[in-house]
Amino acid sequence: EVQLVESGGGLVQPGGSLRLSCAGSGFTFSSYFMHWVRQAPGKGLVWVSRISGDGTSTRYADSVKGRFTISRDNAKNTVYLHMNSLRAEDTAVYFCARVLRTGATFYFDNWGQGTLVTVSS
Amino acid sequence: SYELTQPPSVSVSPGQTATITCSGDPIPKKFAHWYQQKSGQAPVLVIFEDTKRPSGIPERISGSTSGTMATLTISGAQVEDEADYYCYSTDSSGNLKFGGGTKLTVL
Repeated sequence: EVQLVESGGGLVQPGGSLRLSCAGSGFTFSSYFMHWVRQAPGKGLVWVSRISGDGTSTRYADSVKGRFTISRDNAKNTVYLHMNSLRAEDTAVYFCARVLRTGATFYFDNWGQGTLVTVSS
Repeated sequence: SYELTQPPSVSVSPGQTATITCSGDPIPKKFAHWYQQKSGQAPVLVIFEDTKRPSGIPERISGSTSGTMATLTISGAQVEDEADYYCYSTDSSGNLKFGGGTKLTVL
């Protein structure tokens, strides 16, 4: 059974930093792109970042570019989101998600339960 | 850039058919996928590649597309189908986007 478990969320002051982790199990972790998607309280889903299976390719939403860094350790089956210069508008539940790629498209087929990040003084 | 537009809310009585639409430029050229999110839970994939249903998703949930619009249909909606539903697609550059979400109320 595929499982994704996030951790590392919490309360942080504006301008602070936080590192989120997402541990995967039940599948060959290094074979999959992994993504982070966030959801502000009462709002919709917003894509944040993604990383290729071997970790050599990354991509970011404009809203976090230059502040967030995605990385992975395939030996630990874990993907990370390093968040710096946090702002109030970064407050959200952060989900990690596994991507399934087919010939013509890709989509999220498994999600973690999410971890809450609150940016407030 | 592009947007995927969904109605904010849809309301039906139990046993009725609920229809949720998603419109946007990528739809004719790229697949649409649909997620169900119940309160306080992670999203769950209910339709992929426009019309396909993952194992475990009830047959009353179906997907279709026509032109620039994708549609999620729940035939004979049940109280347990009450949730937020999000469409998702990508463009030719690999950029991905979620629709704004539709709150389905079954009462």
